[in-house]
Amino acid sequence: AQTVTQSQPEMSVQEAETVTLSCTYDTSESDYYLFWYKQPPSRQMILVIRQEAYKQQNATENRFSVNFQKAAKSFSLKISDSQLGDAAMYFCAYRSAFTGTASKLTFGTGTRLQVTL
Amino acid sequence: SAVISQKPSRDICQRGTSLTIQCQVDSQVTMMFWYRQQPGQSLTLIATANQGSEATYESGFVIDKFPISRPNLTFSTLTVSNMSPEDSSIYLCSVVPQIQGSGPNTEAFFGQGTRLTVV
Repeated sequence: AQTVTQSQPEMSVQEAETVTLSCTYDTSESDYYLFWYKQPPSRQMILVIRQEAYKQQNATENRFSVNFQKAAKSFSLKISDSQLGDAAMYFCAYRSAFTGTASKLTFGTGTRLQVTL
Repeated sequence: SAVISQKPSRDICQRGTSLTIQCQVDSQVTMMFWYRQQPGQSLTLIATANQGSEATYESGFVIDKFPISRPNLTFSTLTVSNMSPEDSSIYLCSVVPQIQGSGPNTEAFFGQGTRLTVV
């Protein structure tokens, strides 16, 4: 079974600064997807960024980028130019590339990000 | 993409009663997923619901406690039965829509969640 670990329960960053959230995972599969989801107080899960394991290039979405290290099974999220609206719970998630019930997501325990003025 | 309407958004229930949560998707999807998020914790998959077959439950979750219906490709319900305070959680439904003519979509979409408090 796959596991996802987020070792930082809480992080804080000043507005306009950069912060990196850590995530490691364990799997025996070679093909999979990794995600970062954001959950603000509204409870709505919002996809921040995704990475296909077969792609060596790190994914980037505007101010958000990842550092994907497949051999190390590491998938960190970097938020640049942090904004107050970035304050939320961030979950790292794993999904097998196979279809069927393996399409489920396995989530890490989350990192609560605070953004200060 | 997919838009999911989940109801109710919140409820306060007496112990021993049951609550049914509804999830309506604006497109047809093969599988729907039900997750539980206990206070301050991560999301844990309860079960996967396929249309026309029984739901598949994860370890630690049973059909008698969390019966699921999936009458068609756009709708599902999760019932939390014989509730106790330990069932107080956020319950979320999720789908992974398929994109016709291309590879499998990777993004999961979520409902707004149901915050359940059992007193």
